[in-house]
Amino acid sequence: DGGITQSPKYLFRKEGQNVTLSCEQNLNHDAMYWYRQDPGQGLRLIYYSQIVNDFQKGDIAEGYSVSREKKESFPLTVTSAQKNPTAFYLCASRHSYSNQPQHFGDGTRLSIL
Amino acid sequence: AQSVTQLGSHVSVSEGALVLLRCNYSSSVPPYLFWYVQYPNQGLQLLLKYTSAATLVKGINGFEAEFKKSETSFHLTKPSAHMSDAAEYFCAVSDRGNSGYSTLTFGKGTMLLVSP
Repeated sequence: DGGITQSPKYLFRKEGQNVTLSCEQNLNHDAMYWYRQDPGQGLRLIYYSQIVNDFQKGDIAEGYSVSREKKESFPLTVTSAQKNPTAFYLCASRHSYSNQPQHFGDGTRLSIL
Repeated sequence: AQSVTQLGSHVSVSEGALVLLRCNYSSSVPPYLFWYVQYPNQGLQLLLKYTSAATLVKGINGFEAEFKKSETSFHLTKPSAHMSDAAEYFCAVSDRGNSGYSTLTFGKGTMLLVSP
């Protein structure tokens, strides 16, 4: 079945560590997105990519980095510069037409040890 | 810039009662609109979408929403709530700009609580 796979489901980070969240899709979608979700704040866009080797900052990109070397993959690195990384992270993808909905993975919950 | 307002962070209904979740948007042009549902520790699942065809949109699980341009609203309804409807619901708007770079703007969500 086609879908979006995020791994791991739960992730723990020590202070000063970088961690990378994986997102893979087999839907043949061009566009991919990373969101951060905090209680009561909805979803906030971190980064998005419309094509391979190109990506754009979202509303809260500071302390995060991404790469898009393959169409299927859009990993997110939470760097040590992100001072409050504890959150639920969601990856999404869609075809590159604005009337198409985004499809979501099941998320990764990141916590600080 | 577009925005989405969901009135009420929590809505409580009894099983079998009408569900009404409110969503108002701000956009300079008629947008595309979406409702998503999220169960605990899961991703978002699309309920329905409005893309300028019929103003009354039917979705999955018995939900529907009506686009009202004059009220800039896209409220979500279901005639009879079921216990399994308890979840968080998000309204989202997509711009109609350059399709290669359009993004979704989400409301802050409404938690639906269903009591027996």
